[in-house]
Amino acid sequence: DADVTQTPRNRITKTGKRIMLECSQTKGHDRMYWYRQDPGLGLRLIYYSFDVKDINKGEISDGYSVSRQAQAKFSLSLESAIPNQTALYFCATSDVGRDNEQFFGPGTRLTVL
Amino acid sequence: AQSVTQLDSQVPVFEEAPVELRCNYSSSVSVYLFWYVQYPNQGLQLLLKYLSGSTLVESINGFEAEFNKSQTSFHLRKPSVHISDTAEYFCAVSPPGVDDYKLSFGAGTTVTVRA
Repeated sequence: DADVTQTPRNRITKTGKRIMLECSQTKGHDRMYWYRQDPGLGLRLIYYSFDVKDINKGEISDGYSVSRQAQAKFSLSLESAIPNQTALYFCATSDVGRDNEQFFGPGTRLTVL
Repeated sequence: AQSVTQLDSQVPVFEEAPVELRCNYSSSVSVYLFWYVQYPNQGLQLLLKYLSGSTLVESINGFEAEFNKSQTSFHLRKPSVHISDTAEYFCAVSPPGVDDYKLSFGAGTTVTVRA
């Protein structure tokens, strides 16, 4: 079984809709991250969380919100989706003291029409 | 602040030929360096990393990378590629210590291996 799972894997939605992307992990890591990947730009950090009560904005948090429901679950929401949020979204986890090796989920491909 | 430049966006290569993917970084402090690989329709996986010590690091599948501090580079090489090496490769850096979670990624290099 995959250690980091994401649902849905693909989603097409319309401008203005609210969307939630979910991430679950069985690695027992405290740290979780949300990135977006755009062609030619690599990955950029949206939000990160060091534990259930510690959530922080990343490089590109505008238009996004997150919820850390438990150590194992970290959700990303787009309150009102817009076309330039069309991207590939990755969740990742890491363990403290492991030199920040991050473990990535398979990604969610989101298209906003 | 740190940034990463991957000098080649696409690298086509024939099977069993060598490949080099170039990565340069800028940072005002010392860094950890990483190469991640993304196979088609999958998430990123760590390929290798440099934290300290020997400047030449190797992966289990034949890749190696050399940290060159004077040239601020961390180029990735493989002497003989396989079809299965077709993937996108990302160079990344982070500061050591308490901020080591702050990964900065390059734009990626797509390697296409042809028979």
